[in-house]
Formats: sequence, structure tokens, C-alpha cells
Amino acid sequence: NAGVMQNPRHLVRRRGQEARLRCSPMKGHSHVYWYRQLPEEGLKFMVYLQKENIIDESGMPKERFSAEFPKEGPSILRIQQVVRGDSAAYFCASSPTDSKVQPQHFGDGTRLSIL
Amino acid sequence: GQQVMQIPQYQHVQEGEDFTTYCNSSTTLSNIQWYKQRPGGHPVFLIQLVKSGEVKKQKRLTFQFGEAKKNSSLHITATQTTDVGTYFCAGPGGGNKLTFGTGTQLKVEL
Repeated sequence: NAGVMQNPRHLVRRRGQEARLRCSPMKGHSHVYWYRQLPEEGLKFMVYLQKENIIDESGMPKERFSAEFPKEGPSILRIQQVVRGDSAAYFCASSPTDSKVQPQHFGDGTRLSIL
Repeated sequence: GQQVMQIPQYQHVQEGEDFTTYCNSSTTLSNIQWYKQRPGGHPVFLIQLVKSGEVKKQKRLTFQFGEAKKNSSLHITATQTTDVGTYFCAGPGGGNKLTFGTGTQLKVEL
């Protein structure tokens, strides 16, 4: 049973470009969460999605950031017009039901570097 | 909003010494989860506590949930180099998301 798959593992972009981060949840999991982690810091919640629906995006910046989890295919976190401050590790996690009673399973993350 | 703080932020120990990290929430939690993140790795679920005053053990690790369900602790007995990493607590943060604690980074020296 494959775990949470994220790609790419490392992504380098120049300022002003777009970054697309992909996440395939564990088989049987319909809940996906995105977190951002700066070096030496904790995990900051960004967005929570179920298939085709954004449930909670309270942690996501209002501009330049968007997320989707289509009926078919992986969840996508999209950052437009990237800036240096977007450099971070972005982790995706999934759970079979809401996380109040289930642990979250994390992917290996995407390390985004902005030149 | 809900805040989850952990102390200490960093801890260096000699191999064989004990280690404890404390987690405090600004609000009462229905449950608390603990995760470990190795350097360069991703968070890995360790355990979940649900009941007031609950204590659970995993080999050298002891997890405790406070009576008021606002705090928790993780104690490691006789640390080993394999224990190196950052330990996070996490609790339901409103809606269906988790609020992660600030983390305690453990370094173990031979």
C-alpha cells in the first residue's frame, strides 16, 4: 500500500514563475491537507480538501496561492508569481476520515527554492 | 485562535540520558497526537491520546494527556541516537484541521 506521494521532491523557480506541487493521497484516503514548513520551524496549516471541495483554506494566503483536489488525479497546490519568501518545504498529508480521530499520513514533501 | 506551545524548543542530551517535551494548548483538546520528524524527513505519526489523564507507552517512550486535556508530555527514557529529530504534538484546531505545536528538537550526543 503506497504511502502519500508528493512530487517533485525538489523544485527550483525564479521569482515571478509559477510553482505546481502535486500530492497523491494514500489509497482509500479522501482527505488531503497541505502544510508549509520553514527551516527550524513547525508545520503551518494551509488548506484542507476533500475530493472536488475545499473545506478549509483559512491558512492559505489570499493571493497567489490556490489548491484543488479534482475527482480524478492528485491534489495540486499552485503558487503563482513566486517570491523569495515562498521558499519552504511543503508537506501534504492524507487521512481516511476527518483528522479529529485519525492520524495524518505525510508525504516526503516538496522543497521549494526561489532564486 | 488556538495556540499550541511546546517546551523546550531545543534539547541536547548525552546518549543514555532521559528527555521530556511538554505541550500546552490554549484550549481544551478532544484528543492529542504526537509526531516525530527526522532531520530532512517528514512527520511520522507516533500515537494518539483521547482520555483525560491517559498514559500510553511505546518501548522507551511514555506519552501522557493531562487531566484537564490542555496539556501533554512525551518522555523518552535512556535516549539513543535514533531518537534524534523534532517531536511535535498536534490537536484539533477547529473544523477538521490539526494545529501543530511549535516542536522540540532533540539532539543526542555520544
